[in-house]
Amino acid sequence: GAGVSQSPSNKVTEKGKDVELRCDPISGHTALYWYRQSLGQGLEFLIYFQGNSAPDKSGLPSDRFSAERTGGSVSTLTIQRTQQEDSAVYLCASRPGQSTDTQYFGPGTRLTVL
Amino acid sequence: GIQVEQSPPDLILQEGANSTLRCNFSDSVNNLQWFHQNPWGQLINLFYIPSGTKQNGRLSATTVATERYSLLYISSSQTTDSGVYFCAAGGRETSGSRLTFGEGTQLTVNP
Repeated sequence: GAGVSQSPSNKVTEKGKDVELRCDPISGHTALYWYRQSLGQGLEFLIYFQGNSAPDKSGLPSDRFSAERTGGSVSTLTIQRTQQEDSAVYLCASRPGQSTDTQYFGPGTRLTVL
Repeated sequence: GIQVEQSPPDLILQEGANSTLRCNFSDSVNNLQWFHQNPWGQLINLFYIPSGTKQNGRLSATTVATERYSLLYISSSQTTDSGVYFCAAGGRETSGSRLTFGEGTQLTVNP
């Protein structure tokens, strides 16, 4: 079946602009995560959605970052007023539902802020 | 939160050699995964192994939860095994078992 998909695969933007990154999880997966991978910080958790529960936003680095998940499926990560330190690969993952199940990762969006 | 440490940070092998990668974690886990990150950056699932032993072809993994470590074994390595191997752990105290990643092991397999 189809895996996790993300778009765009690459995004180049200018400092100060807003960007939106999209994640389509595996069909039927109720849990969705955003992580980012950067040279200085490695792979780090950003935000977690589970069904209709309030998201766990504890990993978001600043209030410029926000995310939503519409209809329990597609998720959008928005970064406002981008800064150069936001440059990273943003990875989305989904899992079926139980907290002990495997997380499956998408190919990522490489964001470059000039 | 959970701390995850991987060793060695770098490993260079000749094709056909065997290797063992180690992952230490600081607390009880209910999720432990091994990934291979390919040259295009995709994280490929290798094992979901919070405890016990699993094998998949030339790869196998063992997690000893009581001693808080996991091992990934690669036998008869091939050049296509090159890349970064990540261990990631999710603890009982974190919502949704979000993963904390180690720094990775950069594996290079030479022909």
